[in-house]
Amino acid sequence: SQTIHQWPATLVQPVGSPLSLECTVEGTSNPNLYWYRQAAGRGLQLLFYSVGIGQISSEVPQNLSASRPQDRQFILSSKKLLLSDSGFYLCAWSAPDRFGELFFGEGSRLTVL
Amino acid sequence: AQSVAQPEDQVNVAEGNPLTVKCTYSVSGNPYLFWYVQYPNRGLQFLLKYITGDNLVKGSYGFEAEFNKSQTSFHLKKPSALVSDSALYFCAVRDIIGQNFVFGPGTRLSVLP
Repeated sequence: SQTIHQWPATLVQPVGSPLSLECTVEGTSNPNLYWYRQAAGRGLQLLFYSVGIGQISSEVPQNLSASRPQDRQFILSSKKLLLSDSGFYLCAWSAPDRFGELFFGEGSRLTVL
Repeated sequence: AQSVAQPEDQVNVAEGNPLTVKCTYSVSGNPYLFWYVQYPNRGLQFLLKYITGDNLVKGSYGFEAEFNKSQTSFHLKKPSALVSDSALYFCAVRDIIGQNFVFGPGTRLSVLP
């Protein structure tokens, strides 16, 4: 069966420090991969998605970036965090077909101080 | 562009009563619709989806949803609510061209004992 792992679960970082959140998927090949941010326990904002290695689409211009160095690995990064980067970050995957649902990781809560 | 609306920010229902969480959508082409549930500090869990076929879709934990094309709605329902159903519920539509998922703002369901 497929599983998705996301870490770290909790992160407290000072303003201006770098960020790296990692997500890996097991049990499937060539998944679509997604990073969402959820602010204040409410709506989801799509940050990045990827349909293949090295293929990243950015939905929101900001100081975050994403990379997909391997088929089932998706990394969210920042060189210098802002206070506004605080939030709950969710990684997700879906099958590459048109009709599959999203499967989410357990999330990473980032607090920027 | 696809969009999803959840007109109720909060829904309160007594345990044992039926519940409905509303969702309306706007898409070009055939809609691919999904419902997710989120418990505090957790990732989203998939409940059910509509792709094609029967307008009444059954999903996990006794939930079902009714697709209504003329009203562009996909309301989530359950015949008898449980206190453990209290959570945040998201409706989503899949963009079949861009492979993105567009989420509604979420509805917080409180089931009162």
